[in-house]
Amino acid sequence: QQQVKQSPQSLIVQKGGISIINCAYENTAFDYFPWYQQFPGKGPALLIAIRPDVSEKKEGRFTISFNKSAKQFSLHIMDSQPGDSATYFCAANKGGNKLVFGAGTILRVKS
Amino acid sequence: DAGVIQSPRHEVTEMGQEVTLRCKPISGHNSLFWYRQTMMRGLELLIYFNNNVPIDDSGMPEDRFSAKMPNASFSTLKIQPSEPRDSAVYFCASSTSDTQYFGPGTRLTVL
Repeated sequence: QQQVKQSPQSLIVQKGGISIINCAYENTAFDYFPWYQQFPGKGPALLIAIRPDVSEKKEGRFTISFNKSAKQFSLHIMDSQPGDSATYFCAANKGGNKLVFGAGTILRVKS
Repeated sequence: DAGVIQSPRHEVTEMGQEVTLRCKPISGHNSLFWYRQTMMRGLELLIYFNNNVPIDDSGMPEDRFSAKMPNASFSTLKIQPSEPRDSAVYFCASSTSDTQYFGPGTRLTVL
């Protein structure tokens, strides 16, 4: 029940395209759903986060869509750029406690 | 703010040796997390502290691993004796709420 399942494992997108990464969870007590971005040789960094009281959150080219009934959330990267090439992790937690991370998605944006 | 500081950034040691990884969290953050990242297992939470007290060490692989947080500005993760399978990138993260801020990591290689 603590798992967060992330897909796909890897993704190749053309420059200017839309990148979509999906996550699913089981624990309905989770109340915070962040996405982290990690570049090679660096630590993960918070990209965008959402709470279950809203269905969508947008920050620039990055959007989280949240479906509470399906227990799924996804990251959409609009107008993907080569600089977006990185590993993306979804995560979830309950009440400020430890984060449960997905397995990660390696995104490559081809120029 | 300097962010989370970890040292050393790289460590190469021989099997059986003791290894100590260090972390300085962001000032004012009351939670500290130690993670291990490998290709096979992804990002694993080893242990986390709240107000310098260990809260959950269920992710610590075995007794060879130990972590301490003697004060709010310093934590160590010790492996004794080290084994080749401990080779990984070890991250420290700190938080004051849901958002965790990761350090740059320590790349450990055990020969």
